[in-house]
Amino acid sequence: KAGVTQTPRYLIKTRGQQVTLSCSPISGHRSVSWYQQTPGQGLQFLFEYFSETQRNKGNFPGRFSGRQFSNSRSEMNVSTLELGDSALYLCASSLQGTALSGNTIYFGEGSWLTVV
Amino acid sequence: GQNIDQPTEMTATEGAIVQINCTYQTSGFNGLFWYQQHAGEAPTFLSYNVLDGLEEKGRFSSFLSRSKGYSYLLLKELQMKDSASYLCAVRDNGYSTLTFGKGTMLLVSP
Repeated sequence: KAGVTQTPRYLIKTRGQQVTLSCSPISGHRSVSWYQQTPGQGLQFLFEYFSETQRNKGNFPGRFSGRQFSNSRSEMNVSTLELGDSALYLCASSLQGTALSGNTIYFGEGSWLTVV
Repeated sequence: GQNIDQPTEMTATEGAIVQINCTYQTSGFNGLFWYQQHAGEAPTFLSYNVLDGLEEKGRFSSFLSRSKGYSYLLLKELQMKDSASYLCAVRDNGYSTLTFGKGTMLLVSP
């Protein structure tokens, strides 16, 4: 079955612009999480969605937002882009998103964002 | 706070065995993951431990001791393609949120 699909793969934006990234989870997976990866900070959690509801949020400013649709697809948006937002944005999906099920978390290929 | 430590870099020779350690201090614990990430690519799932002990999967094994806040990833019969970053991540709550270590860059030489 298809893995986690993220679009676009690469994009360049100018400071002050906004960007929307899309993620389609593995079929049947209902939990979608977003992470930012930079050389200095490593992988950092942004937010997690389950059944269209944000269940958890990391320590990022309000410029970072997201949503999940009824088909489990998710989008994240970054407004008023800053140079420091340049990073690899990774989407991860899991079946139910609960530790009780012990389910695996799978990552997409990521979206490379460069802010100039 | 959350803290996950792993060595920054390791080197090993093709055909050898290498052990990558990970120690963690988190507010909760609901499983530990190991991922492999090649440069420019997404993290690939390697293993998951939630109970103490050893999980073996082919050339890769992962061990967990919850009382010590300690895990290791063991790679046997190293191949050149194993050169990558290895990420230790802890799920510290009941959801799908992972806290990652900074990763261990493994270089396998001939």
